[in-house]
Amino acid sequence: EAGVAQSPRYKIIEKRQSVAFWCNPISGHATLYWYQQILGQGPKLLIQFQNNGVVDDSQLPKDRFSAERLKGVDSTLKIQPAKLEDSAVYLCASSYVRGGLNEQFFGPGTRLTVL
Amino acid sequence: DAKTTQPPSMDCAEGRAANLPCNHSTISGNEYVYWYRQIHSQGPQYIIHGLKNNETNEMASLIITEDRKSSTLILPHATLRDTAVYYCIVRSGNTGFQKLVFGTGTRLLVSP
Repeated sequence: EAGVAQSPRYKIIEKRQSVAFWCNPISGHATLYWYQQILGQGPKLLIQFQNNGVVDDSQLPKDRFSAERLKGVDSTLKIQPAKLEDSAVYLCASSYVRGGLNEQFFGPGTRLTVL
Repeated sequence: DAKTTQPPSMDCAEGRAANLPCNHSTISGNEYVYWYRQIHSQGPQYIIHGLKNNETNEMASLIITEDRKSSTLILPHATLRDTAVYYCIVRSGNTGFQKLVFGTGTRLLVSP
């Protein structure tokens, strides 16, 4: 089966600019996650969707970050305006619930550099 | 969710067993132990999980102590491709909505 797709793979922008990332989860996976991974750290959950509804966005900096998952399939994550500290890899993951097991499948990520 | 403690780095010779420890002394009765790994420039990959019994799959074995306060991930015959950061995560298993909280993990280097 096809894995989680993300684009672009790399993005370089200047601070105060806007950027958007796209994710296509594995077909049939109702749950979609966006993580931020700063160099040297583990991934940190930004937002979790169940179908097209938000389950958890407690760690999302809502003054500059937004995410949507229209029609419960693809998702976009936007940063507007970007700050230097937003430089990180943004990972998308998807999963389906099977008896409580939460095996998440991750995409390759988008590496963002803010100058 | 309970916190976990892992050594920052470990080395292993190719072909030998890699034993990666994890302490989770505050784990509660309904919390599972999950292991993921992240190879350089890739997203994390699920390895194995368990509640209280030892588990084995095609990738690894998970040994959980009887008091459940620690566990060990075992890669029985490590290869160069097993070089990665390994994350031990504790989460509630009640529903599939519970998030994974990653720490900094153990960086495993497998050498020829």
